[in-house]
Amino acid sequence: AQSVTQLDSQVPVFEEAPVELRCNYSSSVSVYLFWYVQYPNQGLQLLLKYLSGSTLVKGINGFEAEFNKSQTSFHLRKPSVHISDTAEYFCAVSPLHTGRRALTFGSGTRLQVQP
Amino acid sequence: DAGVIQSPRHEVTEMGQEVTLRCKPISGHDYLFWYRQTMMRGLELLIYFNNNVPIDDSGMPEDRFSAKMPNASFSTLKIQPSEPRDSAVYFCASSLGTGAQETQYFGPGTRLLVL
Repeated sequence: AQSVTQLDSQVPVFEEAPVELRCNYSSSVSVYLFWYVQYPNQGLQLLLKYLSGSTLVKGINGFEAEFNKSQTSFHLRKPSVHISDTAEYFCAVSPLHTGRRALTFGSGTRLQVQP
Repeated sequence: DAGVIQSPRHEVTEMGQEVTLRCKPISGHDYLFWYRQTMMRGLELLIYFNNNVPIDDSGMPEDRFSAKMPNASFSTLKIQPSEPRDSAVYFCASSLGTGAQETQYFGPGTRLLVL
């Protein structure tokens, strides 16, 4: 079984400041890792995903994430946020090689960008 | 592409009534997922289909919930009878491909309120 922990439920930040949203996971098997974003009253949209290879993954809207296997983490970062980045961000995992296609999500982090 | 389409977007009903949520996946996608989002439990998978066949329904709460996929372009999630604790946002998602790395595309969700 897998579990995902997002350590911060809310992250307030000023516009143009850097931000890091933390994600740790637990799994008995290898996993793929994802970050999704949910804007108010909308569905989830994929920001980026880690499958293999380079541990630094670049996504849409200037976001990037780094996979750290030893710390079982997949933190999301952006060097300079905009008001439009205000949304809820979800970290998720999906197991390799088990045949099961389900995503296991963290509880979400609400990013609040202030002017 | 129109993306994943869900209807209705909002539903208010009274306890004991039957509720049917509908989903049209992205054309050509062979996996369809139903998720539920609540404040208490976050995002959780209810059931998913592959080529119209239910593969994993272990997340379905109880017998009051049922899901069908009569063809590749339509799925329903039915709750009968509904209860106040079923109030949540229900998301449908679809994906294409044989691997767990494939991106899931989410619909806008149906916000259900059971009084």
